[in-house]
Formats: sequence, C-alpha cells, structure tokens
Amino acid sequence: GAVVSQHPSRVICKSGTSVKIECRSLDFQATTMFWYRQFPKKSLMLMATSNEGSKATYEQGVEKDKFLINHASLTLSTLTVTSAHPEDSSFYICSAASSGYSNQPQHFGDGTRLSIL
Amino acid sequence: GESVGLHLPTLSVQEGDNSIINCAYSNSASDYFIWYKQESGKGPQFIIDIRSNMDKRQGQRVTVLLNKTVKHLSLQIAATQPGDSAVYFCAENLMGNNRKLIWGLGTSLAVNP
Repeated sequence: GAVVSQHPSRVICKSGTSVKIECRSLDFQATTMFWYRQFPKKSLMLMATSNEGSKATYEQGVEKDKFLINHASLTLSTLTVTSAHPEDSSFYICSAASSGYSNQPQHFGDGTRLSIL
Repeated sequence: GESVGLHLPTLSVQEGDNSIINCAYSNSASDYFIWYKQESGKGPQFIIDIRSNMDKRQGQRVTVLLNKTVKHLSLQIAATQPGDSAVYFCAENLMGNNRKLIWGLGTSLAVNP
C-alpha cells in the first residue's frame, strides 16, 4: 500500500521549455502533497505544499510563477517548471500524505531528473 | 541553515554487523519522527516512525530510539546487508505544522561484503 507514482522519471530539454511533472497517489487519497528539490549529496528541500482544491503554499525563496502547482484531485498533483533554464536542472521529488490523521508518514515518488540544456 | 561545503556523513560497516545511525533533531515541539532510506536515483522510502509519546519502536530488523531529553533519534539496523547501503534521513514533524517535515542532513551507509 501507499504507492506514489511520479512521471516522467527523466526529462532532458532545451532552455526555455516548460516541463510538467505528475505525482499520483495510486492506492490512497492524498489531501496534501509536497514537492521537493534535491541537490547531489544534499537533503531534501521543500519547495511547496500542495493542498487539494486550494492554492499551493510556497516556501520562502521559491517563485510561484516559476513553479506552478496544481492539485485538482485527491490523487494527482502536478508541478510545471515554466521557461526552464539550466539552473533549474535538479532532482524533483513529490510526496503524498494520506487523508485523515496527521501523524502519518509521507510516501514518496521515485523522483524526476530534470536536465535543461 | 544549509550545510554548504560539508560532506555527507558516512558510516561503513561489515555485512552482518549491526548499524546505528544517529540524528539530532531541532525542535522540542516536534511530536512525530520518521526514518527514510534513499537509494541512488530514487525517492525516499519509509522505514519506521515513532511518536513522541514513545521512546522505542521495533520493526523488521530495525529499531528506532527516541530520547526527547537530548533531542536525539537513532536507527538501529540488525544484521546489516549489502541491500541496506543507502542514504538514511531522519525527519521530524513539528506539532500542528500541517505535516511539513524538517529533514536531517542524511547519513550514507556503506555495507562491505
């Protein structure tokens, strides 16, 4: 149980392209999903908290117009990196927390390796 | 703050030995703690969790110990296997913080055959 699917696993594209990453909870409903960015040999850096049916909450320093988040259903959240540039190249990971009690672990997708040329 | 310039701590153990990975957490108001395992190129995988009203919890080959007095969390892995090689992160949930996790820096576990 508690499977999170993230797609695509790898993207290579030209500078200026917009890239959409999907995060799906396959066997549970997730009112809250999280988007992280991870640099090599570093810990996870929270970018934003995505709540179903409402606007995402962005962490300080994360541009909301650059990283668009949509959480239209209880099983799907998307992150769109708009007009991506080489400095946006990174490993992006989503997680989902099941509805209900607050003390439940987040479950993670397998990440998206984004490379902007 | 960001650990710019610091290398990821590494623990090297022999196959079959027990491993202990330590974590100092930051906030005395945290009420829920989780250990995750991250293999190269993958997302973190849930290992075990513990609530602040407990000081020990056991799973399959893993034990988590919580010492609230000194804000310390540890993960013990029994009979460590090569498949346990990964980076291990502790994470804490601040009570009432909408499930946002505060992440540790991670420890790289290398298991020697």
